[in-house]
Amino acid sequence: AQSVTQPDIHITVSEGASLELRCNYSYGATPYLFWYVQSPGQGLQLLLKYFSGDTLVQGIKGFEAEFKRSQSSFNLRKPSVHWSDAAEYFCAVGAGGTSYGKLTFGQGTILTVHP
Amino acid sequence: DAGVIQSPRHEVTEMGQEVTLRCKPISGHDYLFWYRQTMMRGLELLIYFNNNVPIDDSGMPEDRFSAKMPNASFSTLKIQPSEPRDSAVYFCASSLGGVSPGELFFGEGSRLTVL
Repeated sequence: AQSVTQPDIHITVSEGASLELRCNYSYGATPYLFWYVQSPGQGLQLLLKYFSGDTLVQGIKGFEAEFKRSQSSFNLRKPSVHWSDAAEYFCAVGAGGTSYGKLTFGQGTILTVHP
Repeated sequence: DAGVIQSPRHEVTEMGQEVTLRCKPISGHDYLFWYRQTMMRGLELLIYFNNNVPIDDSGMPEDRFSAKMPNASFSTLKIQPSEPRDSAVYFCASSLGGVSPGELFFGEGSRLTVL
């Protein structure tokens, strides 16, 4: 069974600082990997995804993530955080084939941004 | 374009009552998912449909939960009878399978409180 671990429950950064949110996954084959963001009272929105190919993927809002198979990681990064980035971030892993769409989410990382 | 629409946004009910949550997916999407979000368990996939057919309901907690999708534009999640431990935010999400597997579009959720 697939699983996702986000080691950091809560991260606080200053506006303008760089950001890295960690994600480790467990899956037997090449996974589909995703990062979603959830603002308070809202549903989740897709930031970026990795299916295959280039291991560095770009997403919306200036975010990027790097797939490292050897470390089973898919960490999310942003070079300069804005106050509007404060939200909860979820890493997810999905399978293809008959299990299409069955995403498993991590527990989430809450990001607080100080002015 | 309208996104995924869920109703009601908030529901407060008493233990033992029937609860029905509703979802209208994005037009043209062929997959529909019901997720539940709680502080303790995070985001859990309850059930998902492909072309109105239930594909995987292994996440439905027990027989008190049922979901239907009578047509491509409407789905319901019913809890009967409801219990306090069912209190959670229930999300509906839809996606276009062949184009971008795993790219889910979430509604804003239905927050259920069972007293």
